[in-house]
Amino acid sequence: GAVVSQHPSWVICKSGTSVKIECRSLDFQATTMFWYRQFPKQSLMLMATSNEGSKATYEQGVEKDKFLINHASLTLSTLTVTSAHPEDSSFYICSARQIPSRNSPLHFGNGTRLTVT
Amino acid sequence: EDQVTQSPEALRLQEGESSSLNCSYTVSGLRGLFWYRQDPGKGPEFLFTLYSAGEEKEKERLKATLTKKESFLHITAPKPEDSATYLCAVPDSWGKLQFGAGTQVVVTP
Repeated sequence: GAVVSQHPSWVICKSGTSVKIECRSLDFQATTMFWYRQFPKQSLMLMATSNEGSKATYEQGVEKDKFLINHASLTLSTLTVTSAHPEDSSFYICSARQIPSRNSPLHFGNGTRLTVT
Repeated sequence: EDQVTQSPEALRLQEGESSSLNCSYTVSGLRGLFWYRQDPGKGPEFLFTLYSAGEEKEKERLKATLTKKESFLHITAPKPEDSATYLCAVPDSWGKLQFGAGTQVVVTP
C-alpha cells in the first residue's frame, strides 16, 4: 500500500517553456500533497503544500507564479514549472500521507529529474 | 527552531561490518521521527516511524531506536544492497517534515 506515482521520471525542456509534473496517489486518497526539490548531494527542501480544492501554500522564497500547483482531485496534484530557466533544473519529488494525520509518515514518488537547456 | 542533524555525513563499510547512524533533533514536542532510505535518482523510501523514547523498530538488517534527544539506525552485517543515503525527518506542528542532511552509506563486498 501507500504508492505514490510521479510522471514523468525525467524531462528535458528548453529555456522559456513550461513543464508539468504529475503526482498521483494510487491506492489511497490524499487531501494534501507535498512538493519537494532536491539539489545534488543535498537534502529535500519543501517547496509547497498542495491542498485539494483550494490554493497551495508555498514556503518562503518559493515563487508561486513560477511553480504553479493544482490539486484537482483526491488522487492527483500537478506542479507546473513556468518559463523554465537552467537554474530550475533539479530533482522534484512529491509526497502524500496515507493516514491523514500530521504525525504520520509521508510516502514519496520516485521523483522527476528536470533539465532545462 | 526545530533542527535535525545527522552524522556521519558518509560511511564506508565492508560487507558484514555493523555500524550505526545518528540522528539528533531539537523540536518543541516530538510528534514522531521517521527514517527513510534514498537510492540515487529515486524518491525516499519509508522505513520506520518512532514515536516515543525507548521504542525500537526492526526490518531485516536495520534497527531503529529512539531516545529523548536522538535516534540511531543500526545496520547489522550490511550487504552491498544496503548502500544508500539514509534520511531522518521530524514533523513540525503543521505536519511538515524537516529532514536531516542524510548519511551516505557505501557497503563494499
